[in-house]
Amino acid sequence: GENVEQHPSTLSVQEGDSAVIKCTYSDSASNYFPWYKQELGKRPQLIIDIRSNVGEKKDQRIAVTLNKTAKHFSLHITETQPEDSAVYFCAASKGTGNQFYFGTGTSLTVIP
Amino acid sequence: DTGVSQDPRHKITKRGQNVTFRCDPISEHNRLYWYRQTLGQGPEFLTYFQNEAQLEKSRLLSDRFSAERPKGSFSTLEIQRTEQGDSAMYLCASSLGTPGYGYTFGSGTRLTVV
Repeated sequence: GENVEQHPSTLSVQEGDSAVIKCTYSDSASNYFPWYKQELGKRPQLIIDIRSNVGEKKDQRIAVTLNKTAKHFSLHITETQPEDSAVYFCAASKGTGNQFYFGTGTSLTVIP
Repeated sequence: DTGVSQDPRHKITKRGQNVTFRCDPISEHNRLYWYRQTLGQGPEFLTYFQNEAQLEKSRLLSDRFSAERPKGSFSTLEIQRTEQGDSAMYLCASSLGTPGYGYTFGSGTRLTVV
């Protein structure tokens, strides 16, 4: 099966700085990579996703990059704000309708 | 907040008791998923349905666990003879299962087995 590793497990940045979270996956058949944000006690919420036929996708302050050859993908958050503080999970899937394999999460703290 | 609804939000039960959770997906979503999340970990896949058919089950889903989606709408997850190791957040999600469309998660049911 698929194995998704996520680093770092915790990340602290100053407000306004950038944050980068990296994930690797093992199954070359995976072709869909969503990122979820989970605030304490709340449901995971999809913030951005990327498919394997695209190398980069951006949505305002959030971007995701994918390197299929190296089997890794990254989340980039620019101009971080305190409300970005949460746990972020990456995931890999062989299609949007199939099961997701999640990373272990990155707890991001943005210091005002 | 329309979306995926789960009930109850919290459940405390004694070891050995049976518990049942309910999930109501977004109405037009034909796929429904159950995940389990323990503290500090990402969600782990348990099972999923396309309409009323249960298409895949994880090895995590022991014989004490059973899930149903009898009419292709809401789903139930039952745990029999609960054990302390079953304590976790049980998340339900639904999707259209089409490209470019990720899951929508419910708020989860937090189970505590004492």
